[in-house]
Amino acid sequence: LAKTTQPISMDSYEGQEVNITCSHNNIATNDYITWYQQFPSQGPRFIIQGYKTKVTNEVASLFIPADRKSSTLSLPRVSLSDTAVYYCLVSNFNKFYFGSGTKLNVKP
Amino acid sequence: GAGVSQSPSNKVTEKGKDVELRCDPISGHTALYWYRQSLGQGLEFLIYFQGNSAPDKSGLPSDRFSAERTGGSVSTLTIQRTQQEDSAVYLCASSSADPRETQYFGPGTRLLVL
Repeated sequence: LAKTTQPISMDSYEGQEVNITCSHNNIATNDYITWYQQFPSQGPRFIIQGYKTKVTNEVASLFIPADRKSSTLSLPRVSLSDTAVYYCLVSNFNKFYFGSGTKLNVKP
Repeated sequence: GAGVSQSPSNKVTEKGKDVELRCDPISGHTALYWYRQSLGQGLEFLIYFQGNSAPDKSGLPSDRFSAERTGGSVSTLTIQRTQQEDSAVYLCASSSADPRETQYFGPGTRLLVL
């Protein structure tokens, strides 16, 4: 089972870079790693997805080491509006394991 | 375009009653997922539909939970003989055929069992 583990919470200040790491020691060869953002009373929203190495899009970067047993979501220059819960998802064709989520609190 | 919609948005029921939760996926999405999110907790996978294939029910927590998807589109999650521990937000998501593709989530149905 690709159980995922994340820190419960993190604090940051506006303008800082934030790195959130998810551990998935039992990740399988076919599994992909996806990160979602969730605001209160809303469904999760896609941020970024990767399989290995580094992926970057307009809002975040995702770093995955060669052994793929962890992944790190990097948010550059966070703002107050980035305060949310961030989930990593390890998934393959029919299994979907969300982490317990990391509550990011961005302070002014 | 229209996103994933769920109804009702809120449901209050009495212990022992049956409830039905509805999900309308994004048009053209063949994959549909149900998750449960208890207060302050992460997402717990319940069931996954892919096209007209038999669903993967391995995540359903008990035989009181069932789900169907009619015509490869709308899905209904049914909870029979509800218990207080069933109180949670039930989230539905849909994606294109490849389940590794982005899942688009609905706003959820908040279920409270008294």
